[in-house]
Amino acid sequence: AQTVTQSQPEMSVQEAETVTLSCTYDTSESDYYLFWYKQPPSRQMILVIRQEAYKQQNATENRFSVNFQKAAKSFSLKISDSQLGDAAMYFCAYRSADNSGGSNYKLTFGKGTLLTVNP
Amino acid sequence: NAGVTQTPKFRVLKTGQSMTLLCAQDMNHEYMYWYRQDPGMGLRLIHYSVGEGTTAKGEVPDGYNVSRLKKQNFLLGLESAAPSQTSVYFCASRAGGSGANVLTFGAGSRLTVL
Repeated sequence: AQTVTQSQPEMSVQEAETVTLSCTYDTSESDYYLFWYKQPPSRQMILVIRQEAYKQQNATENRFSVNFQKAAKSFSLKISDSQLGDAAMYFCAYRSADNSGGSNYKLTFGKGTLLTVNP
Repeated sequence: NAGVTQTPKFRVLKTGQSMTLLCAQDMNHEYMYWYRQDPGMGLRLIHYSVGEGTTAKGEVPDGYNVSRLKKQNFLLGLESAAPSQTSVYFCASRAGGSGANVLTFGAGSRLTVL
């Protein structure tokens, strides 16, 4: 079974600075998808960014970018020019791309990293 | 655009009582999921459904039942609530297919079992 590990329970960053959140995963599959979700105090889960494993280029969405290292099974999230509204719990998630065994139905989450943004 | 709607948003139960959480989505999504979120545990999958009339167990299915009689609805039932089921429950859905289709989440339902 796949596992997702977020080794930083909490992180903090100064407003306007850059922070990187770590995520590693364990899988024997070669094709899969990785996601970062944000959960602000409102509890709503919001997709931040996604990466397809077969794409070598790192995904970018405005101030959010990932460093995807497939061989190292690492998928870190970099937030540039941090804003107060970025304060939230961030979850890394994995989903198989294999259609055959039904495993692609399920999204596996890490335990989350709580990000605090200091003014 | 309603997306995924969960009802109720909050509920307090006594041990042994039963209840049903309702999840409704208006996006014609094939797949639907129920997760629970506990402090320090992330989100854990309870049950999921890959289509109308089908359900399957996730990581933590014990003490819960589900039904998907209509494509747009996915019900999560607790027949005899226990304090260990105190949690925040999230429903999610996504389109079928093999692409990187994204989960759309509901706003969550906070359940407290006394």
